[in-house]
Amino acid sequence: DTGVSQNPRHKITKRGQNVTFRCDPISEHNRLYWYRQTLGQGPEFLTYFQNEAQLEKSRLLSDRFSAERPKGSFSTLEIQRTEQGDSAMYLCASSLGSGQYTTDTQYFGPGTRLTVL
Amino acid sequence: AQKVTQAQTEISVVEKEDVTLDCVYETRDTTYYLFWYKQPPSGELVFLIRRNSFDEQNEISGRYSWNFQKSTSSFNFTITASQVVDSAVYFCALSEAGNNNDMRFGAGTRLTVKP
Repeated sequence: DTGVSQNPRHKITKRGQNVTFRCDPISEHNRLYWYRQTLGQGPEFLTYFQNEAQLEKSRLLSDRFSAERPKGSFSTLEIQRTEQGDSAMYLCASSLGSGQYTTDTQYFGPGTRLTVL
Repeated sequence: AQKVTQAQTEISVVEKEDVTLDCVYETRDTTYYLFWYKQPPSGELVFLIRRNSFDEQNEISGRYSWNFQKSTSSFNFTITASQVVDSAVYFCALSEAGNNNDMRFGAGTRLTVKP
């Protein structure tokens, strides 16, 4: 049984470019999360999907950030017009949830480290 | 609002010493969940434990133990007989029930175990 995978593991881009990251959750998991982690800090929650529905997106950092999970399996996180302040580790997690108000254990992928020059 | 504080930024011990990592949380909910994760140098967060607010029993798993005290809003983590492989950043996290699994992490404690 494979864990959460993320691609690419590292991305270097120039300011103003768009970037897209992919996350493949654990196969039977219906919930998927994106976090951002900056140096010396804990992960910061960005958004959350249950199947293909994005149930929480108010914590996305700006309208330059968007996420999709079109078929309820893998997800993508896109950052448009990148800024140097976007440099961080972007983590994906997944969980198996049942019921709208359950709190699950989230399992994390290895992250994508973004560097914006 | 939910908040987690890990006051210890860095801890350094010598192998075989016991070490306790502190975690203090704030929440207005009566139903919530607490977690500990380990982040080794490779970067991937590894799940260690989950505890709900109604279960105050302490837990032991091998060299790891957790002390949950609602009276002091603390969920401390002890490693007994530490090993070099325990070197990592450890995060405590809180999730309020029904809050879209919005998990709030502390800033982490970097543990270095020297041989």
